[in-house]
Amino acid sequence: SQQGEEDPQALSIQEGENATMNCSYKTSINNLQWYRQNSGRGLVHLILIRSNEREKHSGRLRVTLDTSKKSSSLLITASRAADTASYFCGVVTNAGKSTFGDGTTLTVKP
Amino acid sequence: KAGVTQTPRYLIKTRGQQVTLSCSPISGHRSVSWYQQTPGQGLQFLFEYFSETQRNKGNFPGRFSGRQFSNSRSEMNVSTLELGDSALYLCASSSGDAWHGYTFGSGTRLTVV
Repeated sequence: SQQGEEDPQALSIQEGENATMNCSYKTSINNLQWYRQNSGRGLVHLILIRSNEREKHSGRLRVTLDTSKKSSSLLITASRAADTASYFCGVVTNAGKSTFGDGTTLTVKP
Repeated sequence: KAGVTQTPRYLIKTRGQQVTLSCSPISGHRSVSWYQQTPGQGLQFLFEYFSETQRNKGNFPGRFSGRQFSNSRSEMNVSTLELGDSALYLCASSSGDAWHGYTFGSGTRLTVV
């Protein structure tokens, strides 16, 4: 199976709740990136976390990286209906090759 | 600063035909990567070009090829189209340094009938 596998596949929450998505990978990485995709459109870059970093914040987004467990999580706090989208993690190896998982589909109900 | 531009946005082709998709990266970006996205297979890496050379390649048949020009614009070609090639094709540009993120275009929606 490919790197950058997201979990869960689908997540449905109420507005105001927090949403947590996870990403697992198999080999050593240079960095890991999280993206959002609205239906049928291109991916929008959210956060990049380097292999020597453990946590990064950007607004309501918080990303953690555990290289010993080869996993990352994306937390969206105080979710809004506009956060409804698919979220992907992209893993970039030291050779510069990027792979993405199938994504987590997040639905935020108003 | 202009984003990543992919043309055309939509395309309908017949089985057996060939197709060429175009991607213009962000000015100054030297790396262009191509991805195929389908509901069943998710986002699959096709190949990456950096300074006119293919730097990485995914697991796609030889019907899928690409190239990059001296101005960093890239084209992807699919020959002998099959129904299963129907997908959203996304390209992403980056400076080429693995430390930086990718900027994606809006994609080309290819339908093979």
